[in-house]
Amino acid sequence: QQKVQQSPESLTVSEGAMASLNCTFSDGTSDNFRWYRQHSGKGLEVLVSIFSDGEKEEGRFTAHLNRASLHVSLHIREPQPSDSAVYLCAMSRVGDNSKLIWGLGTSLVVNP
Amino acid sequence: EAAVTQSPRNKVAVTGGKVTLSCNQTNNHNNMYWYRQDTGHGLRLIHYSYGAGSTEKGDIPDGYKASRPSQENFSLILELATPSQTSVYFCASGGTPNYAEQFFGPGTRLTVL
Repeated sequence: QQKVQQSPESLTVSEGAMASLNCTFSDGTSDNFRWYRQHSGKGLEVLVSIFSDGEKEEGRFTAHLNRASLHVSLHIREPQPSDSAVYLCAMSRVGDNSKLIWGLGTSLVVNP
Repeated sequence: EAAVTQSPRNKVAVTGGKVTLSCNQTNNHNNMYWYRQDTGHGLRLIHYSYGAGSTEKGDIPDGYKASRPSQENFSLILELATPSQTSVYFCASGGTPNYAEQFFGPGTRLTVL
């Protein structure tokens, strides 16, 4: 059964410092991976999607995928207090990319 | 302009009552999904649909029904609500070229007393 684990559970950084979040998965044959953000009491918004090993940048958000090490990370450059939220990692299911497997999330707090 | 909307945003129901959660999307996506989100469990897929008239069971379908009368609308129905169904419910849509890129509504907070 495919699984996704996120670390750390929570992270506090100062405004302007790089924030790095991690996601490990149990099966490297998934088609694609994405990071979502969820502000408290709100829905989820997709930040970055990545399909190939390497790096994908969307504004201040950069995802790194390494299938061999079963790892995808998200780096937030110059985080702001408005980036305080829960960040969720998701991967598509092998053989069915219409459905996602979700991590439990990392709670990020950015202090001014 | 929100592309996925949900109603109601908050709902209090009694045990044994019927609850209907509604979702509307203007993305013209074929696929739609219902999830629930609980602390410690993350997002869990309840039902999904490939298009009008289609409903499929997700990972935790017991106690829930779904209805997709049109491309735009997807409902989640709790025929006999129980306290264990107290949760936050999210609807999402996904379409070509990548069905896995799902777009979410704002969520419905359901409390079953």
